[in-house]
Parts: sequence; structure tokens; C-alpha cells
Amino acid sequence: GQSLEQPSEVTAVEGAIVQINCTYQTSGFYGLSWYQQHDGGAPTFLSYNALDGLEETGRFSSFLSRSDSYGYLLLQELQMKDSASYFCAVTYSNYQLIWGAGTKLIIKP
Amino acid sequence: DSGVTQTPKHLITATGQRVTLRCSPRSGDLSVYWYQQSLDQGLQFLIQYYNGEERAKGNILERFSAQQFPDLHSELNLSSLELGDSALYFCASSPRGGTTDTQYFGPGTRLTVL
Repeated sequence: GQSLEQPSEVTAVEGAIVQINCTYQTSGFYGLSWYQQHDGGAPTFLSYNALDGLEETGRFSSFLSRSDSYGYLLLQELQMKDSASYFCAVTYSNYQLIWGAGTKLIIKP
Repeated sequence: DSGVTQTPKHLITATGQRVTLRCSPRSGDLSVYWYQQSLDQGLQFLIQYYNGEERAKGNILERFSAQQFPDLHSELNLSSLELGDSALYFCASSPRGGTTDTQYFGPGTRLTVL
């Protein structure tokens, strides 16, 4: 079957670095996406990895290892506004999408 | 603002009823996706359309149906509503509906079934 796992909650301190992991089990994998969702808001796209390695976009980076079926989102210089839920999502064959249950990031001052 | 619009924002109805949710994609986007998000849960992919044709189907119940019209707007029809159908329903759009497309989400429709 197809499945994604990510931690339900992560706590970090303002200004620090935090890593949110995502492991997946799918067939016909195309790529791994990350989305951010603030409470009551719509998900917004953060990054997409189709190939192994690190993609960097400002304070956010995303990593993929296809051989390990694993990826992570790295957030640096955490700000209070980064408090949100973060979802990993896998695109696999025939355009199907699977989303993780989301990781709630709590940032403390 | 993603450019994707959804109406209505809120909908309150009773069990057994039928409702229609509407979505207009970003200008130029050909693909539309529908998602269900129950309270404090992740997103459940329901269905995807590309240029009027169904492209992918997720965990969509038989009581639910959708379509994409020639002007590319989409409607999600939910019938014989149950209490458990109460959720946020998101529509997203993307340019080509391909595997590398970024999806742009609308603000969602909050459905409450009483």
C-alpha cells in the first residue's frame, strides 16, 4: 500500500533550526512536496524534490533520498510566524497524491 | 491570495441533504483538485480533473461526485450528507496537472452537517 509518516508535533525555539522528517512507502514515486498550513488557512507550497539531494529556498531547505524513501524539511532561523502545520506529499504513478497527516510546529520564544 | 476562489466560505446543512461546492481555478490553470480536511487531520485527496476530464481519483465516496466545466471551473457535489462529512473542503489548481506541478489552494469551504 501507499503510506507517509511524519511526526505529529515538533517544538523548537525562536531563532533555532528544526528538521521535520517524512518517510514514505509508495510505488511509482515521482516526487516529494512540502506545504505549509497556518491554522484556518489554506496550504501553501514550499518545495518539491524529484531528485536526491538538497533544495534550498531562503530559510527553508528540503532533502530527498529516494533509496531510503525519506525526506525532510529544514527550517532555519525560526520565526514565530513559522508556527504552522507542515505536510509532506508524494506524487506517484497515475497522478495520485498521498499526503502525510501533518506536523504541527510549535515555536517558543 | 492564490488566485483560486471557492464558494461558499461556510455551509451549514442537515444530514441527508445535498450540497454543491464551487471552485474557480487560477487564470490559465487547466487542472483542478479537490481535498477534504477533517478537524486536525491531514488532507485527503478526493479527485483531480484536467481540462474537463477526470485524471485521478483518490478516496472519494460514492455519495460524492465532481465535474469540471468547459470554462474550467469545477463543482463538488456531496449528497446524503452524514455528520462525518463535516470538514474543510479545499480546491487547488495547477497549470498542467502534471507530477511536478505546484498546486495552488483556494481558501476552502467549511461544511458543517448538523
